[in-house]
Amino acid sequence: SQTIHQWPATLVQPVGSPLSLECTVEGTSNPNLYWYRQAAGRGLQLLFYSVGIGQISSEVPQNLSASRPQDRQFILSSKKLLLSDSGFYLCAWSVANIQYFGAGTRLSVL
Amino acid sequence: EDQVTQSPEALRLQEGESSSLNCSYTVSGLRGLFWYRQDPGKGPEFLFTLYSAGEEKEKERLKATLTKKESFLHITAPKPEDSATYLCAVQDARNNDMRFGAGTRLTVKP
Repeated sequence: SQTIHQWPATLVQPVGSPLSLECTVEGTSNPNLYWYRQAAGRGLQLLFYSVGIGQISSEVPQNLSASRPQDRQFILSSKKLLLSDSGFYLCAWSVANIQYFGAGTRLSVL
Repeated sequence: EDQVTQSPEALRLQEGESSSLNCSYTVSGLRGLFWYRQDPGKGPEFLFTLYSAGEEKEKERLKATLTKKESFLHITAPKPEDSATYLCAVQDARNNDMRFGAGTRLTVKP
């Protein structure tokens, strides 16, 4: 069966520091992969999606970037974090148009 | 522009008190409507997909229904373990974009 791993679960970073969040999927090949951010009381905001290695689409201009160095690995990065980057970040993969989510990373930028 | 509105924002029920959550949507063409359950600090868990008006899906105490403008998630005789935030999402048939509502936070008191 397919599983998705996302880490770390929580992260506290100072303003201006770099960021790297990693997501890996097991049990499937060439999945569509997604990064979302969820703010309190708001819907999930799609940040990036990828249909294959090296193929990244960005939904909103921001301080973040994404990369897909391997088929089942999706990385969310930032060179310099802003206070506004705080939030709950979710990785997801999809099959038959259904998206399945990881456990999420709570990022606090102080 | 596609829109998804969930109501109410929060709902408190007594154990055994049945009720419904609403998801109203605007989309040019609906590829699918999705319901998720999200526990605090965790990623959303997939519940149902509905594809056409009149379709219904059931799982334990939950039943999801779909019309051309809205979906309902009916909860029959809820238990405290049903307490969670329930998210609705619609997928646009034109471009496969997925848009999420802000969710309904359900609390079931024993």
